[in-house]
Amino acid sequence: GENVEQHPSTLSVQEGDSAVIKCTYSDSASNYFPWYKQELGKRPQLIIDIRSNVGEKKDQRIAVTLNKTAKHFSLHITETQPEDSAVYFCAASRGTYKYIFGTGTRLKVLA
Amino acid sequence: GAVVSQHPSWVICKSGTSVKIECRSLDFQATTMFWYRQFPKQSLMLMATSNEGSKATYEQGVEKDKFLINHASLTLSTLTVTSAHPEDSSFYICSANRELTDTQYFGPGTRLTVL
Repeated sequence: GENVEQHPSTLSVQEGDSAVIKCTYSDSASNYFPWYKQELGKRPQLIIDIRSNVGEKKDQRIAVTLNKTAKHFSLHITETQPEDSAVYFCAASRGTYKYIFGTGTRLKVLA
Repeated sequence: GAVVSQHPSWVICKSGTSVKIECRSLDFQATTMFWYRQFPKQSLMLMATSNEGSKATYEQGVEKDKFLINHASLTLSTLTVTSAHPEDSSFYICSANRELTDTQYFGPGTRLTVL
């Protein structure tokens, strides 16, 4: 069936360093890839997304890259700050359709 | 824009009772809403897709008679957990698609505790 693998499950970085989270999807019909940030007890918040017709997208310190051939997409956070500490989820979707979520990455930014 | 609310934010009930959770899109119309449950330190597990005016589509392994979903209007979907048991205790989150867009906007979640 459809699934999305996400690595690593936990990630600790020093403040100011970069963090990279990687996802691999199985459904070749997926064409929309959002990333969500979830703080403890809160709702997931969309931080960036990318569609299959684009290879890279950047928004300030956050970027996402997509390799359709390999079915990989990655989240890059530069100049990390303590407030970036949270759980990050990737997802893959066929547009206005259900999401398949990754298993999540717990990011801890050490001050 | 794209605000989704959920009510209640938390509920404690006795085993065997039913609990209704509401999900509302406040500033947009949502033809499709989704219901997830999330256990501590785990990912979001899709339970069902709720379509306005039609029956919900349940994911494999989710009991449709236990988790009743109603999507009576373009701004409201409800999830009723019937005959709740302690193993149903979880964080239930809804999301909604803005019309003709890909992005799901999430509600704040409802923490259900069944004693």
